[in-house]
Amino acid sequence: QKEVEQNSGPLSVPEGAIASLNCTYSDRGSQSFFWYRQYSGKSPELIMFIYSNGDKEDGRFTAQLNKASQYVSLLIRDSQPSDSATYLCAVRGAQKLVFGQGTRLTINP
Amino acid sequence: ETGVTQTPRHLVMGMTNKKSLKCEQHLGHNAMYWYKQSAKKPLELMFVYSLEERVENNSVPSRFSPECPNSSHLFLHLHTLQPEDSALYLCASSQDPDFRTQYFGPGTRLLVL
Repeated sequence: QKEVEQNSGPLSVPEGAIASLNCTYSDRGSQSFFWYRQYSGKSPELIMFIYSNGDKEDGRFTAQLNKASQYVSLLIRDSQPSDSATYLCAVRGAQKLVFGQGTRLTINP
Repeated sequence: ETGVTQTPRHLVMGMTNKKSLKCEQHLGHNAMYWYKQSAKKPLELMFVYSLEERVENNSVPSRFSPECPNSSHLFLHLHTLQPEDSALYLCASSQDPDFRTQYFGPGTRLLVL
């Protein structure tokens, strides 16, 4: 089992809809969770982080944690074509930061 | 210069060469990071420096040697690399070594022949 798993996609979502991205992790002791966006040919950029104590909303983005099932979600409301990118999930355990493979998201106009 | 800069942007080297990658951050941050991004593998955190002290080394082979002379500069010294080390090497910085405010540089594309 991989430490952090994401569906590689591509995930296609119509413009204006909600895009839902999921990430599962194996280390039950993980304390913090990060979502990065990476446009093709560009470096990653951190868009959200949450701790094990709660969810977080920032504009159109919401990060949610389900500790019992060991997965973290990123919801993008009112999806825009500019949201088309690869989204990387990263999980911080006691010793290290581990990334998933990334989910490629395409927003269709 | 603004943000995080990396030089060179592209590098081709033989397995017997020695080269260095340079990263500079202009954000006043206290922590710096090296990452490796390969085509077929997830992004990997290699090293973490906080106030010029290495605080994390994630089982990186000794042919990669980091150096952080001050809080604005980070180097990755390379020697006797293998073809599988070909990848995009990304530098990042943050205010504190907690990953919460990371900014990435554009990366150095390395090809080992």
